[in-house]
Amino acid sequence: DAKTTQPPSMDCAEGRAANLPCNHSTISGNEYVYWYRQIHSQGPQYIIHGLKNNETNEMASLIITEDRKSSTLILPHATLRDTAVYYCIVRPLQGGSEKLVFGKGMKLTVNP
Amino acid sequence: GAVVSQHPSWVICKSGTSVKIECRSLDFQATTMFWYRQFPKQSLMLMATSNEGSKATYEQGVEKDKFLINHASLTLSTLTVTSAHPEDSSFYICSASAFYEGEKLFFGSGTQLSVL
Repeated sequence: DAKTTQPPSMDCAEGRAANLPCNHSTISGNEYVYWYRQIHSQGPQYIIHGLKNNETNEMASLIITEDRKSSTLILPHATLRDTAVYYCIVRPLQGGSEKLVFGKGMKLTVNP
Repeated sequence: GAVVSQHPSWVICKSGTSVKIECRSLDFQATTMFWYRQFPKQSLMLMATSNEGSKATYEQGVEKDKFLINHASLTLSTLTVTSAHPEDSSFYICSASAFYEGEKLFFGSGTQLSVL
């Protein structure tokens, strides 16, 4: 079962920052927070992951609260191509053998 | 990032026939691959974990005799849907972990299976 909760949907204006929330109140100490997105009829795309420090890459930033019970994915300048279903997932790191369990995700719609 | 190639992208078959889907890690070795299924407007559901050189581990409710998984090399895993029926029509997606990429799971582009 998924250990995260996300709102079902969110709208964002093109060019604005999109802040996608995720709750993971039962996260364990060895579990990382992963974000993936899925554009219609494609395989999920990796965005970012982190343990407790904030992370940033060319796609997004990940802000994890100090108690690690929630996090926010930030797309700094949303474009129409960012319209997708975004999945927040917690997963332990154990040599690559741990599966990703997907929840329902959140549909982000970027409007022109 | 690492590339996972999945083939075919779509397949249409008659009821009762078998269909094989291939998943390849193109630029890395994957000791573990995962197979998911996704029905329209639903999330991805994990079917099984494929381990190179050993038997796959199936999730509860997934018939191992119907969904045959073979992971014969470090870069190839196959899923065979045996005696396919219309209810098996779905989007099948594989993924593999690229250890050198910091434990990220990379996904194939998926296979849309339609059983007539």
